[in-house]
Amino acid sequence: AQSVTQPDIHITVSEGASLELRCNYSYGATPYLFWYVQSPGQGLQLLLKYFSGDTLVQGIKGFEAEFKRSQSSFNLRKPSVHWSDAAEYFCAVGASNDYKLSFGAGTTVTVRA
Amino acid sequence: DTEVTQTPKHLVMGMTNKKSLKCEQHMGHRAMYWYKQKAKKPPELMFVYSYEKLSINESVPSRFSPECPNSSLLNLHLHALQPEDSALYLCASSQAQGDYGYTFGSGTRLTVV
Repeated sequence: AQSVTQPDIHITVSEGASLELRCNYSYGATPYLFWYVQSPGQGLQLLLKYFSGDTLVQGIKGFEAEFKRSQSSFNLRKPSVHWSDAAEYFCAVGASNDYKLSFGAGTTVTVRA
Repeated sequence: DTEVTQTPKHLVMGMTNKKSLKCEQHMGHRAMYWYKQKAKKPPELMFVYSYEKLSINESVPSRFSPECPNSSLLNLHLHALQPEDSALYLCASSQAQGDYGYTFGSGTRLTVV
């Protein structure tokens, strides 16, 4: 079965600084990979997804992620963080022959002025 | 319409009450999902409906009873809940089961007293 690890529980970043959130997955074949963002008390919004093809994926809100098969990673990046980016970020993996998204534990991002 | 709408947004219920959560989408999606999310945790899959039929039950206690009256509507009937059932209940939909392009609703914040 597939699984996801997000090593960082909490990250604090200054407004305008760059952000990188780590995600490592475990799956035998090519996974379907996702990043979601959740503001307090809200549902999940899809930032970007990777199914195949170009390993650098562009998403909404200025986010991008890079799939690295050799490292089993799918890290999320943003060059310049805005205060509105403070939220919980979840990495998720799905399998081609399955129905279930497996979520990581999440990373809380705090943005300081 | 590209949204999943959940009502109510907040619900407080006693352990002997019967209540229902409602989820609606008009995107023509044929798969709908219920997730449960405890505070500071990732979402956990509860049920999957595919073409209005229950496809997956992730060993959820019978005090949670899902219903899909039509392709746009998904209900979750609650009866005799426990305080530990307090959580954010998220509904999601996708084109079909196994299609991971989920759209999530904003959730219902349930408190059991």
